[in-house]
Amino acid sequence: DTAVSQTPKYLVTQMGNDKSIKCEQNLGHDTMYWYKQDSKKFLKIMFSYNNKELIINETVPNRFSPKSPDKAHLNLHINSLELGDSAVYFCASSQEPGGTEAFFGQGTRLTVV
Amino acid sequence: GQNIDQPTEMTATEGAIVQINCTYQTSGFNGLFWYQQHAGEAPTFLSYNVLDGLEEKGRFSSFLSRSKGYSYLLLKELQMKDSASYLCAAASSSASKIIFGSGTRLSIRP
Repeated sequence: DTAVSQTPKYLVTQMGNDKSIKCEQNLGHDTMYWYKQDSKKFLKIMFSYNNKELIINETVPNRFSPKSPDKAHLNLHINSLELGDSAVYFCASSQEPGGTEAFFGQGTRLTVV
Repeated sequence: GQNIDQPTEMTATEGAIVQINCTYQTSGFNGLFWYQQHAGEAPTFLSYNVLDGLEEKGRFSSFLSRSKGYSYLLLKELQMKDSASYLCAAASSSASKIIFGSGTRLSIRP
């Protein structure tokens, strides 16, 4: 059973489109994150949610909007996609924010053409 | 501020030992993680240190010195499958997040 699952695994889309990436965790964790890993492999936090509440928004353009319908899900919606948005996006979860091991989803490789 | 530094690349020989160093600066420090990431895959947890000292887990050991803001990951009896990126990450309870370094790409040669 997959602990943190995100879909799709690959996403190729044109500039200007709107797309969503879904994430679900079955670990019973309270905290979920979105990270972006660029071509240089630097893993940078974008958002953190704890019990469905946003606790971190790391200077991410407002074209990116996370949504947490419940604490097991954290989806990422991206409007007006740009070439620079191409990266691998990882969803992760942990029992509490910033204090315990984070479990990662398999990643979504987004390519904007 | 929050900052994590680790070498970009390292090379080692199969069967040998390698030490990957990491220095960090973070407010509300709540522990140091090491993750392994193979190309095209998700990071996977290796170790967590919150107190000073050495934690050993099989071929992998991790060390932490909170006063020096320093950690290392020690890999023994290297195998080809250990070729991967190793990410140092600091937990910050005050900032409610885990901050990652840029990773050290370790290449193992026969």
